[in-house]
Amino acid sequence: AQSVTQLGSHVSVSEGALVLLRCNYSSSVPPYLFWYVQYPNQGLQLLLKYTSAATLVKGINGFEAEFKKSETSFHLTKPSAHMSDAAEYFCAVKNGNEKLTFGTGTRLTIIP
Amino acid sequence: EPEVTQTPSHQVTQMGQEVILRCVPISNHLYFYWYRQILGQKVEFLVSFYNNEISEKSEIFDDQFSVERPDGSNFTLKIRSTKLEDSAMYFCASSPGTSNYGYTFGSGTRLTVV
Repeated sequence: AQSVTQLGSHVSVSEGALVLLRCNYSSSVPPYLFWYVQYPNQGLQLLLKYTSAATLVKGINGFEAEFKKSETSFHLTKPSAHMSDAAEYFCAVKNGNEKLTFGTGTRLTIIP
Repeated sequence: EPEVTQTPSHQVTQMGQEVILRCVPISNHLYFYWYRQILGQKVEFLVSFYNNEISEKSEIFDDQFSVERPDGSNFTLKIRSTKLEDSAMYFCASSPGTSNYGYTFGSGTRLTVV
């Protein structure tokens, strides 16, 4: 069975500060991992994905995530938060041909 | 960039009525999905569809739900007799393959059952 756990349903950071959104996965086989972003009243947009190539993955809008097998983690970071980053962020996991399974989401608030 | 298109964006229906949610996946994609998100909750898998048949469905996808690809472009989700608890955002997604492909999601249909 596959699953992801997102620690912190709400995260607030000041504009210009580091953004760190946590995701831990559980998988019986090497997983494929994804981060999606959902802006208010919009759909789910793929930010980045890990597919067993480089462990540090760069995505859109300055976000990146690092796959750490020893910690079963795939945390999302951005060095400097921008007001436009305010959104809901979902970590998701996929084993081979299985369906995409989402975490419960983290709402990111940016403080001016 | 290719998009998944969903219509309508909002739908209000009375309890017990049938609704059809429509999706146009990306044209060269082969795998299609429906997910739903009840307000404030996680995004939940409903069903996957490949080669004109359901490949997997969740416990949520009971007999009141059905999916269809009536032509070469549309992918629909039908809810036969809506309940209050069916109120949610419904997302359609498509992907070109399985394995390491992510899904491309539409903007969703917000269904409100009154």
